Amino acid sequence: EVQLLESGGTLVQPGGSLRLSCAASGFTFSSYDMNWVRQAPGKGLEWVSSISGNGVITYYADSVKGRFSVSRDNSKNILHLQMDSLRAEDTAVYYCAKATCGSYCFSLDSWGLGTLVTVSS
Amino acid sequence: DIQMTQSPSSLSASVGDRVTITCRTSQSISGYLNWYQHKPGKVPKLLIYNVYNLYSGVPSRFSGSGSGTDFTLTISGLQPEDFATYYCQQTYRSPSAFGQGTKVTIK
Repeated sequence: EVQLLESGGTLVQPGGSLRLSCAASGFTFSSYDMNWVRQAPGKGLEWVSSISGNGVITYYADSVKGRFSVSRDNSKNILHLQMDSLRAEDTAVYYCAKATCGSYCFSLDSWGLGTLVTVSS
Repeated sequence: DIQMTQSPSSLSASVGDRVTITCRTSQSISGYLNWYQHKPGKVPKLLIYNVYNLYSGVPSRFSGSGSGTDFTLTISGLQPEDFATYYCQQTYRSPSAFGQGTKVTIK
């Protein structure tokens, strides 16, 4: 059974940094692209970022490009999202999600429960 | 970037009704359109991938259609467990994007 468990969400001041993690199990982690999706309070889903199975290729939403960085450690089955220069509009529940394939893949078939990031002074 | 327009933003329906949700993209995305169901307090679930393919375990009352820039999710015979918010997603090109969502509530 696929399991994804996010951690690292907390209250942070505007301009601050935060690193989210997602521990994966139940599948061959390195064979699948992984994505981050967020949902701001009362809003819809917003795709944030994707990383290829081998960690070489990354993609970002325009809203986070240059501020967020996705990475993965395939030896530990962990996905990370480094978030810098945080803004109030980054406040959201952040979900880690497994893609259905391992190359340029954004279809998401398994999701974690999410971790809440609040950006506020 | 590809823009998504999903409609309606909400609808009210009764158990047994046929419900249709539409999704329009700002440019052709071939067959790279998915649909998700999201209930409060739960994680999103993949319902349909690549326009019309039912994901594993999804009831057959859900169906998808469309091509190019116009796509449709249909629920034939709405069930109590189907009241949720539905999102389309384009996976044709990065950045991927979701529609704004359609909240289906009980009439």
